[in-house]
Amino acid sequence: DVKVTQSSRYLVKRTGEKVFLECVQDMDHENMFWYRQDPGLGLRLIYFSYDVKMKEKGDIPEGYSVSREKKERFSLILESASTNQTSMYLCASSLTSGGLAGANVLTFGAGSRLTVL
Amino acid sequence: QKEVEQNSGPLSVPEGAIASLNCTYSDRGSQSFFWYRQYSGKSPELIMSIYSNGDKEDGRFTAQLNKASQYVSLLIRDSQPSDSATYLCAVKGGSYIPTFGRGTSLIVHP
Repeated sequence: DVKVTQSSRYLVKRTGEKVFLECVQDMDHENMFWYRQDPGLGLRLIYFSYDVKMKEKGDIPEGYSVSREKKERFSLILESASTNQTSMYLCASSLTSGGLAGANVLTFGAGSRLTVL
Repeated sequence: QKEVEQNSGPLSVPEGAIASLNCTYSDRGSQSFFWYRQYSGKSPELIMSIYSNGDKEDGRFTAQLNKASQYVSLLIRDSQPSDSATYLCAVKGGSYIPTFGRGTSLIVHP
């Protein structure tokens, strides 16, 4: 019954490494989001995508990039990992941004906990 | 800047009591309002959504919305230890992006 799948649950990387976090949804959702969550800071939006190959910056895009080549897959890329990117990363999707309010509900993946040494 | 404010807590209530979680928002154009529950180490999951003024009940949960006061709340009746979690309020207007509050930690003690 898993609907949003994040490829890695735990990752440990070294400073300067390139990191890929993959997210796949099987609900044919239009919108996909990448958040990071840190204690006391809540959910902070990194990037979101409202269509294939379309992306918009969120609140904290610096140091990150994204790719959405297919509707079901949204990847987060850390070009050169740094220790301050140690965090829990959450992917989410929603059916659409308009229409019925139920279509705006976010479904989250299980999260990817990244540690950068 | 759209803001959603929640008391971080922790809110501690005894088992069987009513837990009241509150949320205020700044954007008067907000249209959709959500409560997510997040257990420690897990991802958020939707509990309730509400779109019009008034109350919406679902089992032990009641969401209350007052757009004039820009206020949304979640009541949990007959609180159980299994309700202990962080509750995130999310508000959405006409854009793609919901705005989340930082969450309120709820502890239900036996």
